[in-house]
Amino acid sequence: DADVTQTPRNRITKTGKRIMLECSQTKGHDRMYWYRQDPGLGLRLIYYSFDVKDINKGEISDGYSVSRQAQAKFSLSLESAIPNQTALYFCATSDPTGELFFGEGSRLTVL
Amino acid sequence: GQQLNQSPQSMFIQEGEDVSMNCTSSSIFNTWLWYKQDPGEGPVLLIALYKAGELTSNGRLTAQFGITRKDSFLNISASIPSDVGIYFCAGQREYGNKLVFGAGTILRVKS
Repeated sequence: DADVTQTPRNRITKTGKRIMLECSQTKGHDRMYWYRQDPGLGLRLIYYSFDVKDINKGEISDGYSVSRQAQAKFSLSLESAIPNQTALYFCATSDPTGELFFGEGSRLTVL
Repeated sequence: GQQLNQSPQSMFIQEGEDVSMNCTSSSIFNTWLWYKQDPGEGPVLLIALYKAGELTSNGRLTAQFGITRKDSFLNISASIPSDVGIYFCAGQREYGNKLVFGAGTILRVKS
């Protein structure tokens, strides 16, 4: 089983719908992250959490929200999806050394 | 936005050739990491560098932490088809900080 699990792996939705991407980890790490990947733009940080009571905005947080339900769970929500949020989304975990462990990604298409 | 300049953006090489890519920054980093993303999967750590001047190998891969602490290099010798993917550099300024990523180098290998 993967150390970092994302669901769903693929999702197609319509403009205006609410979407939640979920992430769970078995690494025992306190730190969790949500990234977005677009061609030519690399990995851009949306939100991150250094422990259960900590939530921080990344470089592109507008239009997104997160919830850290437990040490092992970190979910990303799009309250009202729009087409330019079509992308590949990655959850990741780390310890303080910074080495990230990524999930397999969630491909979201907003029509 | 991106604070690491990664080049080249893409490479299309013949199988058996050596590959070089690099990452530069105007800021000093204390840790450099190199990740590879296979098609359809999340990035996976290849090599981690923790000391200026450090040269580390992992099979056919060799990475170096620049003496100035503002750059890092990744070399792949005798490329093979499974080297195809996107390679990302990432830096950590201080222990405990979140990572900063380059935009990635897309590698294609012609058999």
